[in-house]
Amino acid sequence: QVQLVESGGGVVQPGGSLRLSCAASGFTFSTCGMHWVRQAPGKGLEWVAFIQYDGTNKYYPDSVKGRFTISRDNSKNTLYLQMNSLRAEDTAIYYCAKGQSIAAASEYWGQGTLVTVSS
Amino acid sequence: QSVLTQPPSVSGAPGQRVTISCTGSSSNIGVGYDVHWYQQLPGTAPKLLIYGNSNRPSGVPDRFSGSKSGTSASLAITGLQAEDEADYYCQSYDSSLSGRGVVFGGGTKLTVL
Repeated sequence: QVQLVESGGGVVQPGGSLRLSCAASGFTFSTCGMHWVRQAPGKGLEWVAFIQYDGTNKYYPDSVKGRFTISRDNSKNTLYLQMNSLRAEDTAIYYCAKGQSIAAASEYWGQGTLVTVSS
Repeated sequence: QSVLTQPPSVSGAPGQRVTISCTGSSSNIGVGYDVHWYQQLPGTAPKLLIYGNSNRPSGVPDRFSGSKSGTSASLAITGLQAEDEADYYCQSYDSSLSGRGVVFGGGTKLTVL
């Protein structure tokens, strides 16, 4: 069965950095695009990044562009999100999700990892 | 505010039918991008409910249905049950130069009376 397991969340000071990981299993990871989506406490869903199956193309919203970097290691079936220059408004649960293309639906989501940006 | 507009809340009694709207524009739903719907129970990850405007993944009851017309889409839930109480989100893709990428609605909280 498909499994996505996020890790790497925690408490970080404003301006700090954090790297999230998403371990994938149960499907051919190297043929699938992947998203990061976040949800601030009590708020709605916000798309954070998408990477194509081979890592050649990456997409971000303006809110994180230049600060966050999505990457993947297909040999390890693992997705990453490097987050730099973190702000209080980046505090959220971060989910990884499987998406065949950037506009396709995501049938599989991880359980999420909480990132708290606070001094 | 979100690129896709949803009502903050809807409610209905058990057995009734409710609809949740998702209004976009000519740079997303109106230009032909698909709409997908997710259900999120408290403390859990979103679950895909409808994909490609009107298709249900395996295991989703046929009480849930989706439609799309022009710049809007709708999720309908018939035979409302207590377990349907959750937050619902629509998702699409936006091609505008100012914000190209995946967009979500702000979410709708469904209360079963």
